[in-house]
Amino acid sequence: NAGVTQTPKFQVLKTGQSMTLQCAQDMNHNSMYWYRQDPGMGLRLIYYSASEGTTDKGEVPNGYNVSRLNKREFSLRLESAAPSQTSVYFCASSGPYQETQYFGPGTRLLVL
Amino acid sequence: SQKIEQNSEALNIQEGKTATLTCNYTNYSPAYLQWYRQDPGRGPVFLLLIRENEKEKRKERLKVTFDTTLKQSLFHITASQPADSATYLCALRNTGNQFYFGTGTSLTVIP
Repeated sequence: NAGVTQTPKFQVLKTGQSMTLQCAQDMNHNSMYWYRQDPGMGLRLIYYSASEGTTDKGEVPNGYNVSRLNKREFSLRLESAAPSQTSVYFCASSGPYQETQYFGPGTRLLVL
Repeated sequence: SQKIEQNSEALNIQEGKTATLTCNYTNYSPAYLQWYRQDPGRGPVFLLLIRENEKEKRKERLKVTFDTTLKQSLFHITASQPADSATYLCALRNTGNQFYFGTGTSLTVIP
């Protein structure tokens, strides 16, 4: 099992460009999450999906959109990137009781 | 406002000693609290979960306590080893399906 995979690993964008971060899990989990991690701020939840077909906003959703494509995949889209979105982005998934989150390796994004 | 605070400074301890990390929270009523380990350049890895009605949980050299009156969790690593050097994150799940993380404590175990 690969667990949670994320692509790309690194990305550099210019202000105003768009991109989609991809996440997939092979653990048959219902819940999936997108976080960003910034120095001194900890992990902050951007969006989550409790099940296929549903998505909800987290703490910091502004400037992002998500799609729960199917049970395995949960993508995060930046429509018009801003330097404030420079961060490390982590995708996670959790099983039926949402007690343990399994994280991907992260995507390091730099917006110039 | 809601806050989760961990030891703000890095923690350095001698190999073989017990490391104790603190997680304090305000204005949350967590159903449970979790601890994760994060190595540089990698995603967090789940270590332990403790529920609001549990006082203590152990797993090998790890021990977690949870005091809902003090709004505090303590995370202990006994007989610490250099391989335990990492950043440790606490997280709590409030009502709903959201998790909230502390900023982490960096632990270095000196041989």
